[in-house]
This record gives sequence, structure tokens and C-alpha cells, in this order.
Amino acid sequence: DGGITQSPKYLFRKEGQNVTLSCEQNLNHDAMYWYRQDPGQGLRLIYYSQIVNDFQKGDIAEGYSVSREKKESFPLTVTSAQKNPTAFYLCASSIGTGGETEAFFGQGTRLTVV
Amino acid sequence: KNQVEQSPQSLIILEGKNCTLQCNYTVSPFSNLRWYKQDTGRGPVSLTIMTFSENTKSNGRYTATLDADTKQSSLHITASQLSDSASYICVVSFRNNRKLIWGLGTSLAVNP
Repeated sequence: DGGITQSPKYLFRKEGQNVTLSCEQNLNHDAMYWYRQDPGQGLRLIYYSQIVNDFQKGDIAEGYSVSREKKESFPLTVTSAQKNPTAFYLCASSIGTGGETEAFFGQGTRLTVV
Repeated sequence: KNQVEQSPQSLIILEGKNCTLQCNYTVSPFSNLRWYKQDTGRGPVSLTIMTFSENTKSNGRYTATLDADTKQSSLHITASQLSDSASYICVVSFRNNRKLIWGLGTSLAVNP
């Protein structure tokens, strides 16, 4: 099946630990994105990548890091510097970053800091 | 301030009934407007994408309208089904930098 896969679905982290969220797509899309979703707020962009080996900060990049070594993969690391990491994280991909390109989302990873 | 506001915040309807969700935006300059459906605990799924020159677009029982002059959009759901229970999110894109501004969504519950 073609699509975008996030893993794990649920993740628990102790305070002070880094954790990496996986995002893989087999849609042959150039662009990939990471969003954070919190109750009562719209989706907020963390990082995005338009091409392999290149990525840009979104609106709330502090405390997060990414890599784009392969076209299919765009992992997100939540570092201990992120003060409020408990949230629902969504990965998306699109053919490009043009205005009318449709973004396809993964099923999300719910991260909880314990 | 560029914003996307949706109403109502939540809505309960009976199966088989129609409903209309509203989206008002102040994003300028405007490129396109999208409606997404998000089931609880899952990623959003695109329903429609409309540019400023389009007035209406349908996807099955979902019909979106856009009035770029008044900066208003609506999503009409016909003959609702239990599976329509979800959050419906309006997203507006800037023309210059393609940045997406996400609304908070309308939570729809369809009851039998």
C-alpha cells in the first residue's frame, strides 16, 4: 500500500530524555513536514524538508531536530530542551510545496512525558 | 493578524440530516483554502482544495463553497452518516510563501 507511516503510535518518555519519532513514506514525495497538535490549538509546523539533505525550521522548532538523509524518511527527535513535549505529532508529505499540492498525513504519534 | 476562525465549535446532528460548517479567514494575500477531516486520534485527510477563483467544489457528500470577497467558506455535508463524526478543519494558504494557517476545527457528532 502507498502511504505515509508513523511509528510508534504511542510513546512515553521520561523527563530529560531524547526520543525519536519515525516517519516513512513510499509516495515518492519530495516534501515532508512535521506538525504538532495540542488541544484547543491548530496544527503548528515544527520542521519541513523540500528535498533530501535539506530542511527548514517551522514556527516552533525550538527543542526539536530532524534529518533527511533519504527521500523516504524524515525522523523527528524531541530533545530534552523541549519544555512541553507532550502532544500529538503528525508527519505529512506532498509532491512539492506549491500552493495547490495536497498533503498526505500519517496516523500520528502521541508522545507523553512521564 | 492573519487568522482562520471556524464555527460552530461543536455540532450534534442526527444521522441522515444535513449540516453546514463555517470558516471565516483574514489571511491575505490568499492562495487557497482546504478542508480536512480528522478522526479522533488519526491524521487529517483532505476533502477539498479551492483556489481564490473557485466558488464550489464537491467530494461525494461533501460540498465546499468559497466567497473570496467576503473571505468566507462553508462545508456542507449531505445525508450525514455515523462515519462523518470527526473534526473538520479549515486551512488557508498564503499566496507568497505557501504557509498554511490552520483553524481549530469543528467537532461534529452524528448520532443514530
